[in-house]
Amino acid sequence: GPTQPPSVSKGLGQTATLTCTGDNNNVGNHGAAWLQQHQGHPPKLLSYRNNNRPSGISERFSASRSGNTASLTITGLQPEDEADYYCSSWDRGYVFGTGTKVTVL
Amino acid sequence: EVQLVESGGGLVQPGGSLRLSCATSGFTFNNYEMNWVRQAPGKGLEWVAFISISGTLMYYTDSVKGRFTISRDNAKNSLYLQMNGLRAEDTAVYYCASDNPGVMEFDYWGQGTLVTVSS
Repeated sequence: GPTQPPSVSKGLGQTATLTCTGDNNNVGNHGAAWLQQHQGHPPKLLSYRNNNRPSGISERFSASRSGNTASLTITGLQPEDEADYYCSSWDRGYVFGTGTKVTVL
Repeated sequence: EVQLVESGGGLVQPGGSLRLSCATSGFTFNNYEMNWVRQAPGKGLEWVAFISISGTLMYYTDSVKGRFTISRDNAKNSLYLQMNGLRAEDTAVYYCASDNPGVMEFDYWGQGTLVTVSS
């Protein structure tokens, strides 16, 4: 499945950009969704196909894609953004990325 | 309010079986495709299985093919996962999650049920 950096650390109010690198069979062909998971809780959808946000998701979260790499940008980092972030795509079934732990310093 | 409530998890010996259920409410279940997703302790998310609205199309991750069966009962707004031949590596929290076909995936999630495979 797609590869994500294990961790990203940024300061309060800064911008974090997370990447999800797949291939032509998944991200390159089907795009990616992004999910956030706080410790001990189920995941929550942040962004879905064509980089749209579900209702209620902050505009501080924005997604994009270039070729086989999808990105999630979090602006104005807040303490509550500290969580694990996963991308997902389709490749003869769903595939999740390896996940990125975001730490807000 | 949308609710997905998983049940049926527990401790089972290697080679044993369990049937997970996901009871849903607050949305039109028979307009949604459904998935099972699992997460081993301290690990990332792993998609397990998908079922279409009608229940006629199913997909599975390779590691569970031939052992797990996903099904649904649209009259009962419920999703199921029959797990046979369980292995230690199947130990995980199992979540049910919905897909709004053609719109978005993984939009609603349950709280999960823990399956532990151990002797």
